[in-house]
Amino acid sequence: SQQGEEDPQALSIQEGENATMNCSYKTSINNLQWYRQNSGRGLVHLILIRSNEREKHSGRLRVTLDTSKKSSSLLITASRAADTASYFCATDLTGANNLFFGTGTRLTVIP
Amino acid sequence: SQTIHQWPATLVQPVGSPLSLECTVEGTSNPNLYWYRQAAGRGLQLLFYSVAIGQISSEVPQNLSASRPQDRQFILSSKKLLLSDSGFYLCAWSVSVGGGYTFGSGTRLTVV
Repeated sequence: SQQGEEDPQALSIQEGENATMNCSYKTSINNLQWYRQNSGRGLVHLILIRSNEREKHSGRLRVTLDTSKKSSSLLITASRAADTASYFCATDLTGANNLFFGTGTRLTVIP
Repeated sequence: SQTIHQWPATLVQPVGSPLSLECTVEGTSNPNLYWYRQAAGRGLQLLFYSVAIGQISSEVPQNLSASRPQDRQFILSSKKLLLSDSGFYLCAWSVSVGGGYTFGSGTRLTVV
């Protein structure tokens, strides 16, 4: 499969803790993106990291990319109950016309 | 600003009935348009994408078809629904092929 694989499939943490989700992929990419999906809703784009970037920040989000290991991580710091959602990585593969989405990590933040 | 509209939000249809889901984008021109399906608790499966009016690419052989009659309108159709067509259908657009996607709010289709 060309899809990214998120790990873990589910994560439950206490409010205030940090949450780390990982994504692995198989082929060469132009960029990797992270999305969030609240239950029963559409996905929301969070952050895009290009293949020549190693780290990117956006508010409480920190994304890293290791192209040698074909992996990325999403860190949410100081989590809040409102961060409860599913998080997906998506890869823009070289030569492809669309993004390939992983199966997601279900994050639950307990107040 | 750009917005994307997808409707209806929920739909219950009998097996063998036709389907038409519509998606429109506002505030941009010549968007790339996508239809995805998401099974319960699963990732997204690309069904169709379009980079220009009248041009449709299909990723998965199935009971569905797509059309782009206008630049900012993307329609997902079926002549006869199957039980296996049930799922959460998402429309999305992007400025460029590898750019970030903006998703619609989705349509929950239940075929009974």
